[in-house]
Amino acid sequence: QVQLVQSGAEVKKPGASVKVSCKASGYTFTSYYMHWVRQAPGQGLEWMGIINPSGGSTSYAQKFQGRVTMTRDTSTSTVYMELSSLRSEDTAVYYCAREGGGLVDAFDIWGQGTMVTVSS
Amino acid sequence: QSVLTQPPSASGTPGQRVTISCSGSSSNIGSNTVNWYQQLPGTAPKLLIYSNNQRPSGVPDRFSGSKSGTSASLAISGLQSEDEADYYCAAWDDSHVVFGGGTKLTVL
Repeated sequence: QVQLVQSGAEVKKPGASVKVSCKASGYTFTSYYMHWVRQAPGQGLEWMGIINPSGGSTSYAQKFQGRVTMTRDTSTSTVYMELSSLRSEDTAVYYCAREGGGLVDAFDIWGQGTMVTVSS
Repeated sequence: QSVLTQPPSASGTPGQRVTISCSGSSSNIGSNTVNWYQQLPGTAPKLLIYSNNQRPSGVPDRFSGSKSGTSASLAISGLQSEDEADYYCAAWDDSHVVFGGGTKLTVL
């Protein structure tokens, strides 16, 4: 079945970087864009950016420009999201979400989420 | 502060019909389609409505969406206890995606 499986929880110190992975299965990896969305504790959803797994092109939310890098490995059908210069406000659950193709211009499949805690 | 505006809470009794509004602007809802997501406690969001009013397979027809101008709404009829969740609207805005702040639905 179509699914996205993310890497496990992380605890990082302020100023460090974190790299979260999202492995896709059950569909053609390069045919669907992938997005990253985060959710701080008790807060709403926040879009971080998008990667085209086919060519690797990316577009990031202005808020994260310069701190976020999204990459992909087509050999393992995995996308990665790396966030640097972490601060306490980056404590959140990070989700990868597939953008459905064709008329489904929405996030139709979501990963289970990865909790990232930033604490000294 | 979210770009799309939703009421923070909504409630209803079993069997009732409830609606959740989502207000935006000409650059997002006014020129793009709206999607709705349901997030049950402790779980990842799930696509509920796409392209303003389309339901993915498996979503009950109790859920419906509509859009007019720069606003959209989600309606839930025949409310059930398992509908208690957070609901988010979303739309493209220029080259990025914006979300509403979310509406917590309580089934009384």
